[in-house]
Amino acid sequence: DIVVTQSPDSLAVSLGERATINCKSSQSVLYRTNNKNYLAWYQQKPGQPPKLLIYWASTRESGVPDRFSGSGSGTDFSLTISSLQAEDVAVYYCQQYYNTPHLFGQGTKLEI
Amino acid sequence: QVQLVQSGAEVKKPGASVKVSCKASGYNFATYGINWVRQAPGQGPEWMGWISAYNDNTFYAQSLRDRITMTTDGSTSTAYMELRSLTSDDTAVYYCARGGYRPSDDAYDIWGQGTRVTVSS
Repeated sequence: DIVVTQSPDSLAVSLGERATINCKSSQSVLYRTNNKNYLAWYQQKPGQPPKLLIYWASTRESGVPDRFSGSGSGTDFSLTISSLQAEDVAVYYCQQYYNTPHLFGQGTKLEI
Repeated sequence: QVQLVQSGAEVKKPGASVKVSCKASGYNFATYGINWVRQAPGQGPEWMGWISAYNDNTFYAQSLRDRITMTTDGSTSTAYMELRSLTSDDTAVYYCARGGYRPSDDAYDIWGQGTRVTVSS
């Protein structure tokens, strides 16, 4: 199984400041045939399902504000929020979908 | 609009079974797969498995393989997840989420609203 591990477990950032969450996979999730990293980022607020923010490690889902960006390749990835807004308070998860089981990271709780 | 609508909350006794439905609308059901994910209270999401809405091919989580069955009904664009021999450890919110035509084609872009399953004597 490809395990994904996030850091930190929790993060407090001031409004307007940058927030960065890291995700490391136990094996590469880069498929060399198409040069795509099978890594996604989700945001989850209380009482709601996870919401897809980023797929292929760096492609923003339609409708997601451009303050959210994803980067990385192979085994090391990051989600960055360039200027934190109050509505960004949530738990963030990375997930690998390179192969089954599509494991999620343990989550990072982002607070103001 | 594209959406997945799940069945309502369930309360079950230990040893019972539960079957959750997930009705798709707004897209061609057969050209995607459906993933099932559960989330126990205060925990992160746990992938349960994937089913092709085209031919019912499945991949299940190893830990659930003996107790889970996923099916689809193309005539109603509905996916089902049945979990048997329930214990208190199965208490969770269960989600369906749209995935790719093949298991690793796509991330999960559309999610159902969740179905709370409580297992209690």
